Amino acid sequence: QVDLQESGPSLIKPSETLSLTCSVSDSVSLSNYHWTWIRQPAGKRLEWIGRIYVSGNTNYNPSLKSRITMSMDTSRHQFSLRLTSVTAADTAVYYCARGLEIKQFDRWGQGILVIVSS
Amino acid sequence: DIQMTQSPSTLSASVGDRVTITCRASQTISTWLAWYQQRPGKAPKLLVYEASKLESGVPSRFSGGGSGAEFTLTVSRLQPDDFATYFCQQYSRYPWTFGQGTKVEVK
Repeated sequence: QVDLQESGPSLIKPSETLSLTCSVSDSVSLSNYHWTWIRQPAGKRLEWIGRIYVSGNTNYNPSLKSRITMSMDTSRHQFSLRLTSVTAADTAVYYCARGLEIKQFDRWGQGILVIVSS
Repeated sequence: DIQMTQSPSTLSASVGDRVTITCRASQTISTWLAWYQQRPGKAPKLLVYEASKLESGVPSRFSGGGSGAEFTLTVSRLQPDDFATYFCQQYSRYPWTFGQGTKVEVK
C-alpha cells in the first residue's frame, strides 16, 4: 500500500511563500498516475489546487494559477507545492493525493494544517 | 466552475439503517463522479468512482448510482464504522470540484 505524507511549515506570515512537500512511499514515476494537492479551509469544502504528472505536465485551478507551482523529484519520491503571496484565506489543511484518470484520488496523505498569520 | 451540492448536509441514522446521500452537479458530468468517506482527523478514502464503480476493498453495502447531473451514494445497512462525513467530487471539467459534505451521525 502506498503511503503519502505532507511536510512543511505549520505557520507562515502573510505575503510569504508556502512550500509543501509530499513524500511517497513508492515510486512517483508511473506514468498512469498523477499527483495532486487539495486543501480544506476549516468548515469549508475541499478545494482542488492542481496536479502534476511525472512528465512535468500540470493542471492548476484557475483561481490559484497565478500563485502556484508544482514540481516533482522522482529520485526522492516526492512532489511539491509552492504558493506565493499567501493571505489568511490560504489557511487550510493541505492534502497531497495520488490520482488516476478514471478513479481520481485513491491514496491521500493525512493532511497538514497551515495557518497564515502575522 | 461546476458546483456540486449535496443533500442532506447532516443525516441522523442508526446502525442497520439504509441511508442515501444525493449529489447534484450544476452541469452534466456524465458519470465522472467519485465519492469519498472521511473520518475525523483521518485522510479521505475513495469509495466509488465513475459514479457506480466500487473501489477495491470497499464493502458491498456501499453503492453509487446516477449519471448526468444527479447522483446517489447508498449504504444498505449502516455499520458503526460508517458514521463519518461523505463528499462527492466531479472530474468532468477543470477545475475539479467537491460537494460540501454530508455528515452521517448517530441518531
